[in-house]
Amino acid sequence: AQSVTQPDIHITVSEGASLELRCNYSYGATPYLFWYVQSPGQGLQLLLKYFSGDTLVQGIKGFEAEFKRSQSSFNLRKPSVHWSDAAEYFCAVGAIGVTGGGNKLTFGTGTQLKVEL
Amino acid sequence: DSGVTQTPKHLITATGQRVTLRCSPRSGDLSVYWYQQSLDQGLQFLIQYYNGEERAKGNILERFSAQQFPDLHSELNLSSLELGDSALYFCASSVDLLAGRAFEQFFGPGTRLTVL
Repeated sequence: AQSVTQPDIHITVSEGASLELRCNYSYGATPYLFWYVQSPGQGLQLLLKYFSGDTLVQGIKGFEAEFKRSQSSFNLRKPSVHWSDAAEYFCAVGAIGVTGGGNKLTFGTGTQLKVEL
Repeated sequence: DSGVTQTPKHLITATGQRVTLRCSPRSGDLSVYWYQQSLDQGLQFLIQYYNGEERAKGNILERFSAQQFPDLHSELNLSSLELGDSALYFCASSVDLLAGRAFEQFFGPGTRLTVL
């Protein structure tokens, strides 16, 4: 079965600093990979997605992520963090061909980002 | 705003009771998904419907059931509620079953259920 690991539960960065949130996945074939952001009391907003092709994908709000098959990783990056980026970030994998799996997303446990002014 | 609507936003009820959560997908989306978010379990897939038919089941308890109606809205029914059912319940929708597009899911704001 597919799984997602986000090794960092909490990360604190200063405003203006760069950010990298780690995500590792486990799946036998090429996965569909996503990053979502959840602000307090809000739903999940899709930041970016990887289906195939270029391994560096751009998303909204200045975020990007790089798919590295050899490392089974899909890390999220932002060159300069803004205070409004403080939120919880979830990495997710969608896996086709899983018996009975439909089109479910499997989520990591999330990384809480705190931004210091 | 994702275009997915969920009602109610908050629900407070007692153990043993039954509640119904409602979801309207984005216009044109045929698939609806239900997820549960709790502190101890994280975000867990419950069930998926596509155009009225059940497509996949996840870690959904037997006390929980769902359906998708002809107008494509969906309801999640939770019965014999226990304290541990307190969680945020999300509905998501996607346009169809094609690989890639099917996994691109848009989430509603959630219903926060508190069982006392």
